[in-house]
Amino acid sequence: ILNVEQSPQSLHVQEGDSTNFTCSFPSSNFYALHWYRWETAKSPKALFVMTLNGDEKKKGRISATLNTKEGYSYLYIKGSQPEDSATYLCARLYNFNKFYFGSGTKLNVKP
Amino acid sequence: DAGVIQSPRHEVTEMGQEVTLRCKPISGHDYLFWYRQTMMRGLELLIYFNNNVPIDDSGMPEDRFSAKMPNASFSTLKIQPSEPRDSAVYFCASSLLGGSNQPQHFGDGTRLSIL
Repeated sequence: ILNVEQSPQSLHVQEGDSTNFTCSFPSSNFYALHWYRWETAKSPKALFVMTLNGDEKKKGRISATLNTKEGYSYLYIKGSQPEDSATYLCARLYNFNKFYFGSGTKLNVKP
Repeated sequence: DAGVIQSPRHEVTEMGQEVTLRCKPISGHDYLFWYRQTMMRGLELLIYFNNNVPIDDSGMPEDRFSAKMPNASFSTLKIQPSEPRDSAVYFCASSLLGGSNQPQHFGDGTRLSIL
């Protein structure tokens, strides 16, 4: 069973705080991990595509790391802003095109 | 550039009625995916197409669900007859080529309520 688990389920931080959350997945037969940002009433938008153990990706204040041997990825947000409030989803590629999504971490950044 | 376009955005209908959800993928994308999002099960893949051909429909919950892609710019997901437990948000996504390096581009979803 390809469980993709994300923690915490929700997170409340103050503007300016840095934060991170976790995506855990089975490490065997790894192909890729994707991170998506999902704002309420909108569609999920791709943040990062990660394929190699040790990958580190960065986009502005948001970065992600990948450890395929132990089966986890971290997403970091430095200096959170209210506009960062969203649900962050990770998805593990099972085979060529089938992704299993985690249930997401809902981030709320208070001004 | 236009993204993935889904219609309708909201659909409310009575149990037993046929429901048709529509999707226009991004032009040039070879892969199209249908997902269902519920509180209990999160985002689940129902079916995906490559070059208009259904490749994997193992996620389709029952025979009441069917999906077609008659051409590269249009796909439908049909539920007949609909049941209250089909109430969910249905997303369509497309990707250029396939494989591990291709992010999926999602539409805004159709919120379906079956009374």
